[in-house]
Amino acid sequence: LAKTTQPISMDSYEGQEVNITCSHNNIATNDYITWYQQFPSQGPRFIIQGYKTKVTNEVASLFIPADRKSSTLSLPRVSLSDTAVYYCLVGEPDNAGNMLTFGGGTRLMVKP
Amino acid sequence: DGGITQSPKYLFRKEGQNVTLSCEQNLNHDAMYWYRQDPGQGLRLIYYSQIVNDFQKGDIAEGYSVSREKKESFPLTVTSAQKNPTAFYLCASSIVWTSGSSDTQYFGPGTRLTVL
Repeated sequence: LAKTTQPISMDSYEGQEVNITCSHNNIATNDYITWYQQFPSQGPRFIIQGYKTKVTNEVASLFIPADRKSSTLSLPRVSLSDTAVYYCLVGEPDNAGNMLTFGGGTRLMVKP
Repeated sequence: DGGITQSPKYLFRKEGQNVTLSCEQNLNHDAMYWYRQDPGQGLRLIYYSQIVNDFQKGDIAEGYSVSREKKESFPLTVTSAQKNPTAFYLCASSIVWTSGSSDTQYFGPGTRLTVL
């Protein structure tokens, strides 16, 4: 069974654009892709959600290729406060029906 | 002020004791979820509930139990059968459970359980 995978960590500097990619080879046809941000000892916070092509909101953009087997979260001009763990969430079909599976998370460190 | 709450924020228990973690939401969401998070790790699904009086096992249900007697409440009991219960526990809810779709989940602040 294919797993949802993300890079374990990334470093960036203030003001740069950061792109975090999630691989989800076994995504179900009707699934959306959702990204969350988590700070230490807090619950994850919704960032953005999409189904295909490109979605943009006030904090991020989400790029999804035509085959939908991956997605890229883009954070424009990051600041120190964007240092956090970022998770992608997709439905992943299994024998019991579709299940929701978080990626392992990407720890983003923004440096001054 | 709508939201999802968990209590207590920190919980200590002696080895061999059962303990129940509270999760309440006033968002009128049908679906609720429990996740476990270990230090430096991602979230793993313990149990989920699509509707009142119904719940399903997630990836790591062994040693845990839940109930869903009311729409707004989804308590999680960590039993003595759970071999390594020390972790950060997160509750979430979403409007509906649509099979396979990633309906936006709203998370509570979490409960950090430590077994002494």
